[in-house]
Amino acid sequence: QKEVEQNSGPLSVPEGAIASLNCTYSDRGSQSFFWYRQYSGKSPELIMFIYSNGDKEDGRFTAQLNKASQYVSLLIRDSQPSDSATYLCAVTVRGSTLGRLYFGRGTQLTVWP
Amino acid sequence: GAGVSQSPSNKVTEKGKDVELRCDPISGHTALYWYRQSLGQGLEFLIYFQGNSAPDKSGLPSDRFSAERTGGSVSTLTIQRTQQEDSAVYLCASSSLAGDLKEQYFGPGTRLTVT
Repeated sequence: QKEVEQNSGPLSVPEGAIASLNCTYSDRGSQSFFWYRQYSGKSPELIMFIYSNGDKEDGRFTAQLNKASQYVSLLIRDSQPSDSATYLCAVTVRGSTLGRLYFGRGTQLTVWP
Repeated sequence: GAGVSQSPSNKVTEKGKDVELRCDPISGHTALYWYRQSLGQGLEFLIYFQGNSAPDKSGLPSDRFSAERTGGSVSTLTIQRTQQEDSAVYLCASSSLAGDLKEQYFGPGTRLTVT
């Protein structure tokens, strides 16, 4: 069973704060880890990916991966109201179809001014 | 350039009717995936095409669901005898190389409502 779990939220933070989004996965064969942003009524948009343990930073976004704990997180620094969206965690799994993603249910983030 | 397009954007149908959903991938993208997003659920994989072949159909929920791809381009997802539980947003994604998720793009989706 390839479960990807996220807190559904909603998560509400004030503008300028750090938003922390968490994701756990059940399959130790999980290889690559992705964070998608999905605005209401829109399609998912890839914002971060991480393959190796540790942190990966891109602008205001930092992805953190801990394979031993089967945990991946996304930090959004200096949160803006435009960051308000649902954030989807997704993984690929060794032995599965190339490019096939296993998604969590998403965490809804609201950044209030 | 043009992204992935899907049609129709919205479809309302009566229970028991058949529906066809269309996906036009980015030109030159050989890998194409269909996902379904039900209310409050994550995206659920349905089927994967490489060219016109579907090496992974394992996500299709029942034999009422089928899909094809022609000319290595357009794909059609067909749902026969629709049921209310088929109501969802159906998303299509394409990439030039299977597994190249950094260059995989989703279409806007088709919202299907079965009444």
